[in-house]
Amino acid sequence: GAVVSQHPSRVICKSGTSVKIECRSLDFQATTMFWYRQFPKQSLMLMATSNEGSKATYEQGVEKDKFLINHASLTLSTLTVTSAHPEDSSFYICSAGASGGRETQYFGPGTRLLVL
Amino acid sequence: AQSVTQLGSHVSVSEGALVLLRCNYSSSVPPYLFWYVQYPNQGLQLLLKYTSAATLVKGINGFEAEFKKSETSFHLTKPSAHMSDAAEYFCAVGAGGGKLIFGQGTELSVKP
Repeated sequence: GAVVSQHPSRVICKSGTSVKIECRSLDFQATTMFWYRQFPKQSLMLMATSNEGSKATYEQGVEKDKFLINHASLTLSTLTVTSAHPEDSSFYICSAGASGGRETQYFGPGTRLLVL
Repeated sequence: AQSVTQLGSHVSVSEGALVLLRCNYSSSVPPYLFWYVQYPNQGLQLLLKYTSAATLVKGINGFEAEFKKSETSFHLTKPSAHMSDAAEYFCAVGAGGGKLIFGQGTELSVKP
């Protein structure tokens, strides 16, 4: 089956630093990847849609200058949390689909970010 | 616009009992519907999906869901709960362009 990986699985950083999270589709090419944020005991909130070779599309209320997304290849998308603050602490999950249509999204295992 | 409502943020059943997790959707187009399961500190795993074929959809781990257009529902069921079924369950509707809109989630507890 389709496998999506994320790295790192957990990261602790100091306030003001930047953190990069990688999302890789291991056995298929993903023209579209999605980034979600999940607070404890809550649902997933879509942050942005990452399209290979073009700018990401951000959902309303998500700061694009704070959450930088790069989708440089068909198997890799990165989310960089710039100048992280404690309120950015959360569980970040990516997903990938094969062609951006109505197909199934395959989810990565998530990255737990803690900003001190 | 699409939306999903999951009735009941927490459901508790005894081991061996029927599992019923409720999901109602709203969609302006024929919907694609999904059920995902999330174990603690993990990503989401697809249980099953409805894509306008058979209205009764069978998934992994003995789960199934029935699409009922007249009731705008897509409830998830399993005849006999196992302890390993304890997890968070999310219903989702496709929102175009591959996007998914998730419900609030239902935490399933299974008592021995």
